[in-house]
Amino acid sequence: EVQLVESGGGLVQPGGSLKLSCAASGFTFSGSAMHWVRQASGKGLEWVGRIRSKANSYATAYAASVKGRFTISRDDSKNTAYLQMNSLKTEDTAVYYCTRHGGGSWYWGQGTLVTVSS
Amino acid sequence: DIVMTQSPDSLAVSLGERATINCKSSQSVLYSSNNKNYLAWYQQKPGQPPKLLIYWASTRESGVPDRFSGSGSGTDFTLTISSLQAEDVAVYYCQQYYSTSGLTFGGGTKVEIK
Repeated sequence: EVQLVESGGGLVQPGGSLKLSCAASGFTFSGSAMHWVRQASGKGLEWVGRIRSKANSYATAYAASVKGRFTISRDDSKNTAYLQMNSLKTEDTAVYYCTRHGGGSWYWGQGTLVTVSS
Repeated sequence: DIVMTQSPDSLAVSLGERATINCKSSQSVLYSSNNKNYLAWYQQKPGQPPKLLIYWASTRESGVPDRFSGSGSGTDFTLTISSLQAEDVAVYYCQQYYSTSGLTFGGGTKVEIK
């Protein structure tokens, strides 16, 4: 069974940093691209970025709203993807989900809440 | 970026009646080499992550009731709930995964009971 478990969310001040983790199981993590998607309270889904597999050179891509501030990485030995968030703004407040595409289906974690506030 | 436009924003339907949600992409999400539309539909209830209903535009995810169906190709897609049940009250999203630049989602359609 595919499982994705996000962690690392919390309260951070504007301008601060936070690193989220996505622990994966139930599939071959090293061969899978991993995405991060966020959702502000009462709003829609917004793609944040993705990291591809080693076979695809760990290529990353980001939404314009986070480019230059957020960095996605992965540790295939730990079956974990990361989202490093720097220079956080109040508008980054959201639930952050990791998700992956496999065998046609899309799998999502339960999400972790990030609150940016003074 | 591929823009996904959903309509309507909200929809009130009587129990047992049909609900239809539309999704239009700003460019085709049909990949010619495998003839697949890179389009998914989700249901989301408050406090929960999105739940996949449909992928490849018309393939129902395992365990999803057959009253949910997806159709369309290229740029125009539809999610149909053939006989609305109380547990179907939720927000529904379409998502394209065609673009290598990233995923994009429709703005969501809120389905309520009339």
